[in-house]
Amino acid sequence: NAGVTQTPKFRVLKTGQSMTLLCAQDMNHEYMYWYRQDPGMGLRLIHYSVGEGTTAKGEVPDGYNVSRLKKQNFLLGLESAAPSQTSVYFCASSRAGTGEKLFFGSGTQLSVL
Amino acid sequence: AQSVTQPDIHITVSEGASLELRCNYSYGATPYLFWYVQSPGQGLQLLLKYFSGDTLVQGIKGFEAEFKRSQSSFNLRKPSVHWSDAAEYFCASDSGTYKYIFGTGTRLKVLA
Repeated sequence: NAGVTQTPKFRVLKTGQSMTLLCAQDMNHEYMYWYRQDPGMGLRLIHYSVGEGTTAKGEVPDGYNVSRLKKQNFLLGLESAAPSQTSVYFCASSRAGTGEKLFFGSGTQLSVL
Repeated sequence: AQSVTQPDIHITVSEGASLELRCNYSYGATPYLFWYVQSPGQGLQLLLKYFSGDTLVQGIKGFEAEFKRSQSSFNLRKPSVHWSDAAEYFCASDSGTYKYIFGTGTRLKVLA
């Protein structure tokens, strides 16, 4: 069982470069989320999706864009990377939105120089 | 606004000792409450969750948590800690908006 798969696992960018993080889940979950994890700040929600073709902003959406063209995939894009976006990014999914267990990927370590 | 507070950044306990990790939530009604564990280099794994009913919730790996409405707390406990419990622990809540809010985490160190 693959669960939630994130690619890539590590990436180093220069300031101003762009990249896309891919999240794929094979559990037929409706809801998907992107979080960033920074020391001393826990996990903060960037964007989320309640179904194919829908996206919404979370707590810290600035500088990021997302797309959910297929139910199983949730893409996180950085159009012009900044050092402040150096972080560990986690994708998660859940069967429904409220009170459900989140299934997490293993994370992407992103460094922006 | 909904918030989750974990007042302890680091906790160190000896193997075999009991453990209690604190979590306080801020929300008018009772939210869904969760405890997750994160091992180094890994994603988060659910330990247990609470919404209603019995205020003492049993989870995996021998963990339990007690919901106390009067104190707005949901503390995680384990009677006897094992070296493999060393990890970071996150409390989280969901007030029904499906935007889960996480605490800042407590890093547990276990001494042999």
